[in-house]
Amino acid sequence: GEDVEQSLFLSVREGDSSVINCTYTDSSSTYLYWYKQEPGAGLQLLTYIFSNMDMKQDQRLTVLLNKKDKHLSLRIADTQTGDSAIYFCAEGFYTGRRALTFGSGTRLQVQP
Amino acid sequence: DAGVIQSPRHEVTEMGQEVTLRCKPISGHDYLFWYRQTMMRGLELLIYFNNNVPIDDSGMPEDRFSAKMPNASFSTLKIQPSEPRDSAVYFCASSAMGGQTNYGYTFGSGTRLTVV
Repeated sequence: GEDVEQSLFLSVREGDSSVINCTYTDSSSTYLYWYKQEPGAGLQLLTYIFSNMDMKQDQRLTVLLNKKDKHLSLRIADTQTGDSAIYFCAEGFYTGRRALTFGSGTRLQVQP
Repeated sequence: DAGVIQSPRHEVTEMGQEVTLRCKPISGHDYLFWYRQTMMRGLELLIYFNNNVPIDDSGMPEDRFSAKMPNASFSTLKIQPSEPRDSAVYFCASSAMGGQTNYGYTFGSGTRLTVV
C-alpha cells in the first residue's frame, strides 16, 4: 500500500540547519518531491530527486534518499524566517495512472 | 503562463446550498487533480482527470460531490448540498505526463470554502 509519513512539527533558530524527514512504503516510486506551502498559498515544488540518486544539492537545500530504508530527508542550511512554512514530501510512480502520494506535512517554525 | 487559476479564492455559503469551484489548468497539461486540505485529514486527493477523462474518483467523499472537465482548459468541482463538514481549502493542480517528471504538479492558490 501507499503511505508517506512525516513528523508534524519542527522548530529551529534562525541560522541553524533544519532537517525534515519522510518515510514511504512503496519501493516502486520513481521521483520523490519536496513541496513548500506558505500560509494562504498553494503547494510549490521546492525540489525533487530521482529514485536512482542518493543525494541532490540545490543551493541551501540538500535532499538525501535512502532507498533501502525508504527514507527521504530535506536539509535546509542557514534557515531563515522566510523558510517558515509547511513542507510536504511526495512520491511519484512510473505510470501516470497513479497520482502522487503526499505526506501529512511538517510545519517548520523558524525562531528569530 | 499564469499558472493554475482557481476561483473563487474564498466562498462562504449556507448549509444546503450548492457550491461550484472552478479551475483552469496550465495550457498543455494533460492531467488535472482536485485535492482537499483540512487540519484533521491533511491533503486528500479527491479525483483526477487525464485528457478530460476521470481516472480515479475513489477519493470523492460521497454522492454530494461531483467533478467535471468539459474541455482541456476548465474543470469544476460541485458540492450539492453543502454541509459544514465540507469546510476546507480545495486545491486544483495540473501536470504533464502525470507528474512523473522532475516538474511534479503545479498547484493553484486554492479555494477556501466555509459552510455555515
